[in-house]
Amino acid sequence: GAGVSQTPSNKVTEKGKYVELRCDPISGHTALYWYRQSLGQGPEFLIYFQGTGAADDSGLPNDRFFAVRPEGSVSTLKIQRTERGDSAVYLCASSPILAGASGELFFGEGSRLTVL
Amino acid sequence: QKEVEQNSGPLSVPEGAIASLNCTYSDRGSQSFFWYRQYSGKSPELIMSIYSNGDKEDGRFTAQLNKASQYVSLLIRDSQPSDSATYLCAVRLSGGSYIPTFGRGTSLIVHP
Repeated sequence: GAGVSQTPSNKVTEKGKYVELRCDPISGHTALYWYRQSLGQGPEFLIYFQGTGAADDSGLPNDRFFAVRPEGSVSTLKIQRTERGDSAVYLCASSPILAGASGELFFGEGSRLTVL
Repeated sequence: QKEVEQNSGPLSVPEGAIASLNCTYSDRGSQSFFWYRQYSGKSPELIMSIYSNGDKEDGRFTAQLNKASQYVSLLIRDSQPSDSATYLCAVRLSGGSYIPTFGRGTSLIVHP
C-alpha cells in the first residue's frame, strides 16, 4: 500500500488478556517505530527497529510489552496481561532511514486499544 | 521537567489572524526540531522542520528557532478553519538514538 497500515484499527479486550497489534510500513522503509498516545498527550516512544533488530527499546514500559519485526518489514507489538492503563492509541511510523536525518516519520492511522 | 513542553491550549484565533504556537525543550544539545499537525482522530503529519537558529518559511507557516533560549515556535499566517488541529512539537534529543521526542501538543481552534 501507499501508506503505513495498522490493524486492527480498534481493539477492545478484557484486563489480563493478550493482544497483538500489527504494522505494515511503507515499502522500502527500513526504520519502523512504535509510539503510544494517550488522550490529550503527545506520542510517547516505545521501540524503534532498523531492519529486523530492535535498535532502541528504551520506551517499552515493562516486560509485558514486546515487539518483533522478523523479516524487516511487518512488525507486531505484543502486550501480555493487559491492564486498564494500557488503553491508548498505538501508533506505528516508518521512515526510509533513521528519522533523525530528516525527522519525518510517516504515521499509520493507529490502533485504538481499550482494556476493560 | 518534561523534555519537550507545550501549552495544551486550546488556542483560539479568528480566521485570518496569526496563530503563534510555542515549544520549549530541556536538552541544550538538541539539533533538530519538527512541527507535526494532527487532526482529531487522525495520525500526525510533518509540516515543518528546522535545524538552524532563525526563521524558516513555507507558505503560510514559519518556524522559528532560538537554541540559546531552547525555544521553537510555529507561526501560521492567515489562519483558516481548516488549520484547526493539534500541533505537536518534536525534538531530536542529543542523547540515545535520536528518536524524535514529542510534546503533548497544542490544540488550535480557528473560528470563522
